[in-house]
Amino acid sequence: KAGVTQTPRYLIKTRGQQVTLSCSPISGHRSVSWYQQTPGQGLQFLFEYFSETQRNKGNFPGRFSGRQFSNSRSEMNVSTLELGDSALYLCASSYSGRNTEAFFGQGTRLTVV
Amino acid sequence: DQQVKQNSPSLSVQEGRISILNCDYTNSMFDYFLWYKKYPAEGPTFLISISSIKDKNEDGRFTVFLNKSAKHLSLHIVPSQPGDSAVYFCAASETGNTPLVFGKGTRLSVIA
Repeated sequence: KAGVTQTPRYLIKTRGQQVTLSCSPISGHRSVSWYQQTPGQGLQFLFEYFSETQRNKGNFPGRFSGRQFSNSRSEMNVSTLELGDSALYLCASSYSGRNTEAFFGQGTRLTVV
Repeated sequence: DQQVKQNSPSLSVQEGRISILNCDYTNSMFDYFLWYKKYPAEGPTFLISISSIKDKNEDGRFTVFLNKSAKHLSLHIVPSQPGDSAVYFCAASETGNTPLVFGKGTRLSVIA
């Protein structure tokens, strides 16, 4: 059974640009959550989608947005990139929406220059 | 304000000895606690969890202890092995369905 797949693995963008990251959950999983990991802040919750509906949202500015498609794949978008957005972005999926049963992908390393 | 705190950024332990990683929390509504292990350039891997109705949970070399009155949990690894060297994150959730709140992690180095 394939795990959670995140693409691309690495990305370099310039300040002011926008970026879209993709997450394909484990087959059959309906919930996808996104986290940002930075050295100073650890892992912080961005948002969660369940069956195409945003179920929870973390404390991030409106530049961070996401969506989930009918096949449960999810994308997150960051507009007007800032240097501080450089981070590892992690996606986790679960079947039932129980975050305590989620599996994480390998992440997308975003560097903003 | 950080709801889950791992106050030791790093820990060094000799192979074969016990590793004890600590975690404190402030939100009394947390009912589920988890430990994850993370290698560089990989996503976190689930290790072990405990719910608030228990005070101990074991899985092989890993044991998690929960002290609700002190709002403190710890992960014991016995015996420690070089392959255990990684960053360990403590996480908590109020209902299991609510988002995970993570600590900042503790880097464990097991020295052969």
